[in-house]
Amino acid sequence: DFVMTQSPLSLPVTPGEPASISCRSSQSLLNSNGYNYVDWYLQRPGQPPKLLIFLGSYRASGVPDRFSGSGSGTDFTLKISSVEAEDVGTYFCMQALQTPFTFGPGTKVDLK
Amino acid sequence: QVHLVESGGGVVQPRKSLTLSCAASGFTFADYPMHWVRQAPGKGLEWVAAISYDGRNTFYADSVKGRFTISRDNSKNTVNLQLRSLRGDDTAVYSCAREGGDISIGYGGIDVWGQGTTVIVSS
Repeated sequence: DFVMTQSPLSLPVTPGEPASISCRSSQSLLNSNGYNYVDWYLQRPGQPPKLLIFLGSYRASGVPDRFSGSGSGTDFTLKISSVEAEDVGTYFCMQALQTPFTFGPGTKVDLK
Repeated sequence: QVHLVESGGGVVQPRKSLTLSCAASGFTFADYPMHWVRQAPGKGLEWVAAISYDGRNTFYADSVKGRFTISRDNSKNTVNLQLRSLRGDDTAVYSCAREGGDISIGYGGIDVWGQGTTVIVSS
């Protein structure tokens, strides 16, 4: 199975400042079709996860453009260009290349 | 409006069974693969199972293979998860979710999630 790791696991942020979360897979997530099968989700307290980024870099519908995803193969990054208060919560990466899909442990983002 | 609503959770004794149901609305259910994901108290997300749009193909996490069964009824817009031989570590909030499809790429992420239903395995 694919093992997903994330760093940091906790990230205090300041509104208006940028933030970055890393995700690493134990195996390449690059498919033969050229796409990297990694997603990013935000789970706010008491809420189900919300899709932010799919296939490594594609923003989901309605997701603000301050969120961006990058990377290829085994190393991926989620960046927030300018953090807003509503961005607090836990961020998960997930590989969707093969079942069983697997999530990273999550990065808890809160305000400083 | 796109909606997924789970039901069927509750308190169940170890080694017993339970069936969860998820009702979909607001989209053409038969066009989409569906997933179940769970979250144990205070823990992260764990993918549990998935089923293809037509129900012909099913997939399971190793932790539930042989004990859980995912199924769907496209005429009723529902997806079910049958849980058998339940254990304490199956205690979690179980959410059903839709696998989105990007028209040009194919896979579009898990783009719609229900609020979840709670399963507590306890004697």
